Amino acid sequence: SQQGEEDPQALSIQEGENATMNCSYKTSINNLQWYRQNSGRGLVHLILIRSNEREKHSGRLRVTLDTSKKSSSLLITASRAADTASYFCLTGGGNKLTFGTGTQLKVEL
Amino acid sequence: EAGVTQSPTHLIKTRGQQATLRCSPISGHTSVYWYQQALGLGLQFLLWYDEGEERNRGNFPPRFSGRQFPNYSSELNVNALELEDSALYLCASRSGTSGGAGADTQYFGPGTRLTVL
Repeated sequence: SQQGEEDPQALSIQEGENATMNCSYKTSINNLQWYRQNSGRGLVHLILIRSNEREKHSGRLRVTLDTSKKSSSLLITASRAADTASYFCLTGGGNKLTFGTGTQLKVEL
Repeated sequence: EAGVTQSPTHLIKTRGQQATLRCSPISGHTSVYWYQQALGLGLQFLLWYDEGEERNRGNFPPRFSGRQFPNYSSELNVNALELEDSALYLCASRSGTSGGAGADTQYFGPGTRLTVL
């Protein structure tokens, strides 16, 4: 089974609202990355947070990492319709790579 | 700078046949990763190549194989195709290998959609 579990599975919000999605994992990691996928196409890298970091920002994105709880959250502030996509976390530890199950975000006008 | 490219975009095969998928990494990147995204199963790590060698593979049967060429491009071969091999196959590349498989940002190609009839 996949190491990363994400919740919620699906999230529908209005434009301008904030969206929060969570990723939990099971084993030790070196870092955690978040990716976005639009309509079943290739993935776009959003942000990478290393295991010794607790929080990272990039534009409207804020990522937190709690290694004691083996979880991470991605916050998208002031969401836009263009943010509608699936979001995945990717955990890396040694030679092992595991994607989360993904959160489908829909931002409505 | 050109991104990761994959070919073909779509591939339709029948059960039992073989499929070959190709990937060209970003110039200067030596590591290539393959992933399978099947309906209901999410994104699964398939293979990792670097400097022409297989570094790691996911939980897939031996009929999934590949190679990396001297120019760092890569090929994924799926033998004896089964219906459940129908999926989007994504290739990603990154520069360097230090820090393990997931140490740095991976850049993804648009994928090859394989349909097995």
